[in-house]
Order: sequence, then structure tokens, then C-alpha cells
Amino acid sequence: KAGVTQTPRYLIKTRGQQVTLSCSPISGHRSVSWYQQTPGQGLQFLFEYFSETQRNKGNFPGRFSGRQFSNSRSEMNVSTLELGDSALYLCASSFRLAPSSYNEQFFGPGTRLTVL
Amino acid sequence: SQQGEEDPQALSIQEGENATMNCSYKTSINNLQWYRQNSGRGLVHLILIRSNEREKHSGRLRVTLDTSKKSSSLLITASRAADTASYFCATDAVTGGGNKLTFGTGTQLKVEL
Repeated sequence: KAGVTQTPRYLIKTRGQQVTLSCSPISGHRSVSWYQQTPGQGLQFLFEYFSETQRNKGNFPGRFSGRQFSNSRSEMNVSTLELGDSALYLCASSFRLAPSSYNEQFFGPGTRLTVL
Repeated sequence: SQQGEEDPQALSIQEGENATMNCSYKTSINNLQWYRQNSGRGLVHLILIRSNEREKHSGRLRVTLDTSKKSSSLLITASRAADTASYFCATDAVTGGGNKLTFGTGTQLKVEL
């Protein structure tokens, strides 16, 4: 089975721009989660989608948004980029029978976003 | 916010030695998971222990969980240079649904030849 894929792997943007990151989960996985990793704040949960619905959201401003498509692929969007948004953005998928079940998450390689 | 605090922050050992990392967390959990990350890449899932379990083994890994103390430990036996990585604990809290992992601060392990 192919693993979680994320595109692009590296991205350079300037302040004020917007960016869209893409994630393709493992085949059969309906849950996709997004995390931000920075040296200062560590790994922080952004949001989780299950069957095209956002099930959980972390403590991030509204500039961070996401969506999930019917094939479980997910995108996250950051508008009006700030220097502090520079981070490694990780996507993870999980096989869950229902929104309330719990399983390990499989992570993609991440997208390294640099905001200048 | 960081749910888990890991100890030590950094650990350097010789190949063949055992490495022990500890994790403490704050709220009730459904399960606790350990992940490994090599040099800023994606995380690799190592092991999941449910809140009603006390110990779990997987190959050279041994994880314990003490819910009364809200703590967990990861033991890597007979370490190898390839085990050099950052290790994170992550808790799945009782929040009424949804996969939301809250990660600890991580332990940087260096295994020297």
C-alpha cells in the first residue's frame, strides 16, 4: 500500500500571500489530520476530517482552513501568511470505522513552508 | 498546547545500551502513542497503548503506562545507531470523538557507535 503523500514538499511564499497544501491518505483511510511543527511550539494539532466533515479543530486562527474530498484527499489553506507560519506541515491518515474510534496515525513526509 | 512533557530532552548513549524515555501528561486519555521522527521528516508510529493496558512490547520496544501517575515510559533495548531520532509521546484524550493527538516535547536520542 502506498503511504501518505503530501505535495508540495517545499514551498516558499511571502507575507500576505496564501497557500494550499495537499494530502493523499492511505487507501481506505477516511480520517485525515493536519499538524504544524515548529521549533518553538513543537507539534500542534490543526484539524481533523472524517468523511468530508471537520471533526476536531485545534487552537489556530481562522486563517487556517481545510477541507476533505469524497476520495478522502484533503487540502489545507493558509491565507494572509505571516512569518510565524513558517513550519513543517504534517498530514496523517488513520483507518477508523467511525468518528469516535481511535487508531494509530500514519504520517506523510510533510510540506516545509517558508514565509519570507 | 503541549499535553505531554518528555524527559530527558536529550539522551546520548552507546550502541548496545538501553534507552529509556519518559512522558507525563495532564488529562484523562483513551490511549497513548509513541512516534519517531528522523531529522525533521514525517513521524513513524511505533506503538499504541490503551488506557486499560499497563505494558506493551513490540520487538525491542517496551512501553509502560501508569494512568494514576499520568505517565508513560518507552524503553528501547540494545540500541543501534539507526535508532538515532527524536521520540514523541502523543495522547488521545477523552474529548468525545475525533482523532486529536496532543504531542509531547520530544526526546532527542543519539546512539553512538
